[in-house]
Amino acid sequence: GENVEQHPSTLSVQEGDSAVIKCTYSDSASNYFPWYKQELGKRPQLIIDIRSNVGEKKDQRIAVTLNKTAKHFSLHITETQPEDSAVYFCAASTTGNQFYFGTGTSLTVIP
Amino acid sequence: GAGVSQSPSNKVTEKGKDVELRCDPISGHTALYWYRQSLGQGLEFLIYFQGNSAPDKSGLPSDRFSAERTGGSVSTLTIQRTQQEDSAVYLCATRQSVDTQYFGPGTRLTVL
Repeated sequence: GENVEQHPSTLSVQEGDSAVIKCTYSDSASNYFPWYKQELGKRPQLIIDIRSNVGEKKDQRIAVTLNKTAKHFSLHITETQPEDSAVYFCAASTTGNQFYFGTGTSLTVIP
Repeated sequence: GAGVSQSPSNKVTEKGKDVELRCDPISGHTALYWYRQSLGQGLEFLIYFQGNSAPDKSGLPSDRFSAERTGGSVSTLTIQRTQQEDSAVYLCATRQSVDTQYFGPGTRLTVL
């Protein structure tokens, strides 16, 4: 089955700096890659996703890049703010099937 | 519209008792997933229902865990003879025909 690895497990950045979280996957059939943000005590919320026919997608300060050849994808947050502090999870899926999650990255934005 | 809902939000039980956790999906969502999240940990896949197909039970940790989905809508996760290591947040997520998965608020289970 699919194996998703996520790095780093913890990340601290100064407010205004950029944050990058990376994930790798093993199954070349995976074609959908969502990113979730989970604030303390709350449910995971989808923040951005990308499909395998696209190399990059942006939504304001958040972007995701996908390298299908190398089987890795990354989340980029620019101009970080304290409210970006949360745990971020990546996932990989083949359409219509199970989702495989990374182990999470705890992001702290220092004011 | 209404999102995924779960009940109860919190459940405290004694070791050895059975518990039932409920998930109400977003109307029209054909796929439903159960995950377990221990404190400070990631999402552990438990079971996946897709329409009328046989569920994917490959993530259930033991035969004390079972789940059903009635009429392709509401799902119930049952844990029999609960153990302290079952304490966790149990999250339900649902998906329509395309890929986006939406999570419920979770049920926090504490086994004393």
